[in-house]
Amino acid sequence: EDQVTQSPEALRLQEGESSSLNCSYTVSGLRGLFWYRQDPGKGPEFLFTLYSAGEEKEKERLKATLTKKESFLHITAPKPEDSATYLCAVQANSGGGADGLTFGKGTHLIIQP
Amino acid sequence: GAGVSQSPRYKVAKRGQDVALRCDPISGHVSLFWYQQALGQGPEFLTYFQNEAQLDKSGLPSDRFFAERPEGSVSTLKIQRTQQEDSAVYLCASSLAVEYVLPYGYTFGSGTRLTVV
Repeated sequence: EDQVTQSPEALRLQEGESSSLNCSYTVSGLRGLFWYRQDPGKGPEFLFTLYSAGEEKEKERLKATLTKKESFLHITAPKPEDSATYLCAVQANSGGGADGLTFGKGTHLIIQP
Repeated sequence: GAGVSQSPRYKVAKRGQDVALRCDPISGHVSLFWYQQALGQGPEFLTYFQNEAQLDKSGLPSDRFFAERPEGSVSTLKIQRTQQEDSAVYLCASSLAVEYVLPYGYTFGSGTRLTVV
């Protein structure tokens, strides 16, 4: 069974204070690992897909990295508007079709001015 | 439309009542998913459509849950004889095609918050 564990559950940072969110996963065969951002009352918003160990993706203050067992979302000099819940999800190789994603519980990030 | 539209945004149902939740995906999107998100949890997969074909319904928690997409566009998730444990946000997601899922992810709607009292 595919599993995704995110830590910490919640994180409070001062504006400008860089940090990392962790996503540990077990999957039979990884097709892709996704990072999403979710604001209150909204659906998840796509950020990145990572395919293989060693890969990195960047977008503004966010950088996602991937190893064989975990992924990190690094947030550099965050601003209050980066406050959200960040979700990690995996998609397994099923041999065909488009399987659903397996999500972690998310990390609730608060950036204080 | 510009995004995935879900209605109603909020639904309060009495225990035992039937409910129907609607999803309007982005025009032309072939793949459509339903997810259930309990409070403080990540979304959990319910079912998947490719056009009008329901290819995977392994996540539906019981036979009280039923989904359809008869013309390959709008989808409806129906829950019969609702129970308190059905209270959650129901999210719909769509993608242009299977091969676009990985590089661009799915586009999610804002969800329907169902409260069973």
